Amino acid sequence: GENVEQHPSTLSVQEGDSAVIKCTYSDSASNYFPWYKQELGKRPQLIIDIRSNVGEKKDQRIAVTLNKTAKHFSLHITETQPEDSAVYFCAASIGGGFKTIFGAGTRLFVKA
Amino acid sequence: NAGVTQTPKFRILKIGQSMTLQCTQDMNHNYMYWYRQDPGMGLKLIYYSVGAGITDKGEVPNGYNVSRSTTEDFPLRLELAAPSQTSVYFCASSYLAGGPNTGELFFGEGSRLTVL
Repeated sequence: GENVEQHPSTLSVQEGDSAVIKCTYSDSASNYFPWYKQELGKRPQLIIDIRSNVGEKKDQRIAVTLNKTAKHFSLHITETQPEDSAVYFCAASIGGGFKTIFGAGTRLFVKA
Repeated sequence: NAGVTQTPKFRILKIGQSMTLQCTQDMNHNYMYWYRQDPGMGLKLIYYSVGAGITDKGEVPNGYNVSRSTTEDFPLRLELAAPSQTSVYFCASSYLAGGPNTGELFFGEGSRLTVL
């Protein structure tokens, strides 16, 4: 069945540094790859997404890249700030958002 | 719009009891989902629905049942609760119409369930 693997499970960076989180997926039919941020005790919220017909997408300090051949996609956060501290989940789905499967999450700590 | 509303927010069950987690959305979304999140873990898909009257199993459906009689409501039923079902449950909805700007999941605030 579908599987999404996410690394690392924990990431600690200094404020201002960059953070990179990597994911791989198993289902070649996957065509939609969202990233969600979950603050402590809160619900997950979408921060950026990418579709299979695009290789890279950027929104201010965050960017996502997709390599369909290798079934890899990554989240890049530049100029990290303490408020970026949270758990980040990658996900993959078929049908443009149907039946979304999540990775295990990355806990990001940004030290001031 | 209230978005996705879940009740109850917290519940303690005894082993063997049953209960229903309620979920309703007012965004006229066609797709609805139930996920569970164990401590320090990711979200696992329990069941999903593509429209009223249609439901299907996700990754971890055992011990749960769902129904979707209306577009707005998607209750999750736990039969014979077990300690392994202690978790935070999230209901979510999305609108999929094949267009380029669909697919985002809108989550409820979560329901924290403890089975003792």
